[in-house]
Amino acid sequence: AQSVAQPEDQVNVAEGNPLTVKCTYSVSGNPYLFWYVQYPNRGLQFLLKYITGDNLVKGSYGFEAEFNKSQTSFHLKKPSALVSDSALYFCAVRDQSGGYQKVTFGIGTKLQVIP
Amino acid sequence: EPEVTQTPSHQVTQMGQEVILRCVPISNHLYFYWYRQILGQKVEFLVSFYNNEISEKSEIFDDQFSVERPDGSNFTLKIRSTKLEDSAMYFCAGDRGENYGYTFGSGTRLTVV
Repeated sequence: AQSVAQPEDQVNVAEGNPLTVKCTYSVSGNPYLFWYVQYPNRGLQFLLKYITGDNLVKGSYGFEAEFNKSQTSFHLKKPSALVSDSALYFCAVRDQSGGYQKVTFGIGTKLQVIP
Repeated sequence: EPEVTQTPSHQVTQMGQEVILRCVPISNHLYFYWYRQILGQKVEFLVSFYNNEISEKSEIFDDQFSVERPDGSNFTLKIRSTKLEDSAMYFCAGDRGENYGYTFGSGTRLTVV
């Protein structure tokens, strides 16, 4: 079975400071990993994904994430937070083994960027 | 950029009534999904659909739920007899394959009263 853990319900960061939103995963095989963002009363928007290759992946709006296989982590990062980054962030995983799999989402982390 | 379109954006229904939630996926997507989210919390998998049949469903997706894609375009979720606990945001999603991310629709807010 595949699963995702987002250990922080909420992350507060001052505008201009770097931000990190944590995610760890569990899969049987190799993972496909994703980050999505949800603004209030909106759907989920794709931010970035890790499939294979470079452990550091870059995505939309200046976000990036680092895949760490030994720590089974895929933390989302941004060098300088904006107030407009305040939203709900979901980490998600799909197991590459055992045939086609659905994506499983974490419970979400609320990011609050303080002006 | 192509979008997944969901209608209606908000539906209020009485308990016990049937509802149909509609989705128009992106044309080159092959796999289709319904997820739901209660009160901005966890995004829960309901069902996946591929090649005109259900490929996987969750425990939530009981006999009261059904999906179909009758005309190769619209992808619908039907709830036959709604319960209060069915109140949630329902999201349609699609992708082209497992190494692609989902594209989500903007959701239908279902309120059962």
